Amino acid sequence: DTGVSQNPRHKITKRGQNVTFRCDPISEHNRLYWYRQTLGQGPEFLTYFQNEAQLEKSRLLSDRFSAERPKGSFSTLEIQRTEQGDSAMYLCASSLAGTVGDTEAFFGQGTRLTVV
Amino acid sequence: AQKVTQAQTEISVVEKEDVTLDCVYETRDTTYYLFWYKQPPSGELVFLIRRNSFDEQNEISGRYSWNFQKSTSSFNFTITASQVVDSAVYFCALSERNYGGATNKLIFGTGTLLAVQP
Repeated sequence: DTGVSQNPRHKITKRGQNVTFRCDPISEHNRLYWYRQTLGQGPEFLTYFQNEAQLEKSRLLSDRFSAERPKGSFSTLEIQRTEQGDSAMYLCASSLAGTVGDTEAFFGQGTRLTVV
Repeated sequence: AQKVTQAQTEISVVEKEDVTLDCVYETRDTTYYLFWYKQPPSGELVFLIRRNSFDEQNEISGRYSWNFQKSTSSFNFTITASQVVDSAVYFCALSERNYGGATNKLIFGTGTLLAVQP
């Protein structure tokens, strides 16, 4: 397994268009996290899944954002009607949760979104 | 409220110098976890360490060491004999324990850009 994989690596879209990103976690990991990182800032938590269940969503995740993890493996993050403020790096991470909680998270290289 | 402050925006050192990256955190919980991640230019965040709030022992891993002091709410990171390959952005982060134990719902600081000059 080569780690967490995110596609595409870069996406340029026009304002108002919909975009979808994909994250493939490390295969045995049951937790999957999405973060957003803007230039010069630390990543901000968006949402996370345990298997296929979405356990928590940040208030940053407006109703234009939706995330899914249909079979508890890969996940998609869709942004509808993109705005220039959505331009950021979107990071995915995965980890293994057991009886005492999560192991450390492994991050992908991110998808850089530019909305023009 | 939870917050992580990394007051040093950028640090530049010459190779072989020691460098300390500061991290101060705020939380009202008694059980929490502190992390350091490295973000090289390629973009992925590389895990360096996780520390439980009940474990105040300092840790050393090769050229890296961490000093956790609950009394000052600090979790500082020192690189000894820095190398050019250490150049990256370093993030300190905090997570709280929820009903299921530790999570990776992290609150990150703004990061410190470390430039190691040859």
